[in-house]
Amino acid sequence: SQTIHQWPATLVQPVGSPLSLECTVEGTSNPNLYWYRQAAGRGLQLLFYSVGIGQISSEVPQNLSASRPQDRQFILSSKKLLLSDSGFYLCAWRVTGNTEAFFGQGTRLTVV
Amino acid sequence: GDSVTQMEGPVTLSEEAFLTINCTYTATGYPSLFWYVQYPGEGLQLLLKATKADDKGSNKGFEATYRKETTSFHLEKGSVQVSDSAVYFCALSTYSGGGADGLTFGKGTHLIIQP
Repeated sequence: SQTIHQWPATLVQPVGSPLSLECTVEGTSNPNLYWYRQAAGRGLQLLFYSVGIGQISSEVPQNLSASRPQDRQFILSSKKLLLSDSGFYLCAWRVTGNTEAFFGQGTRLTVV
Repeated sequence: GDSVTQMEGPVTLSEEAFLTINCTYTATGYPSLFWYVQYPGEGLQLLLKATKADDKGSNKGFEATYRKETTSFHLEKGSVQVSDSAVYFCALSTYSGGGADGLTFGKGTHLIIQP
């Protein structure tokens, strides 16, 4: 069966520090991968998605970047965090088609 | 483009009350429809789905019927429990060559069940 791992679960970082969040998927090949952000009490904001290794689409221009160095690995990064980067970050995967997405457990990022 | 509309709430009900959360959609293709649930501090979990018109998805006492004529996928439960308190997201997926342009979420409905 397929599983998705996302870490860390919680992170507190100072303003101006770098960020690296990692997401890996097991049990499937060539998944579509997604990074979402959820501000407190708000809906999902799509940040990045990837349909293959090295292929990244950015939905919202901002202080973040994403990379997909391996088929089932998706990384969210920042060189210098802003206070506004605080939020709940969710990784997800699905296969191409009229299919559902499966989510990781999320990372709570607080920038102080 | 595709869109999903649902009440944002919060929706507050007493335990054992009947629940309806409305969801309507617009899509250029022929979408699959989903309901997700998010408990505090957790990721989204797929609650139920329907892939074609008149299909009924069901799970844990929740039900939703794919209504193509009204472009709706309302979530219902006959008797809610305190443990159902969560945020519920309606979503659709269309095949458009893959990628996020085929996956659309509503803004989420915060449900609070009081004992």
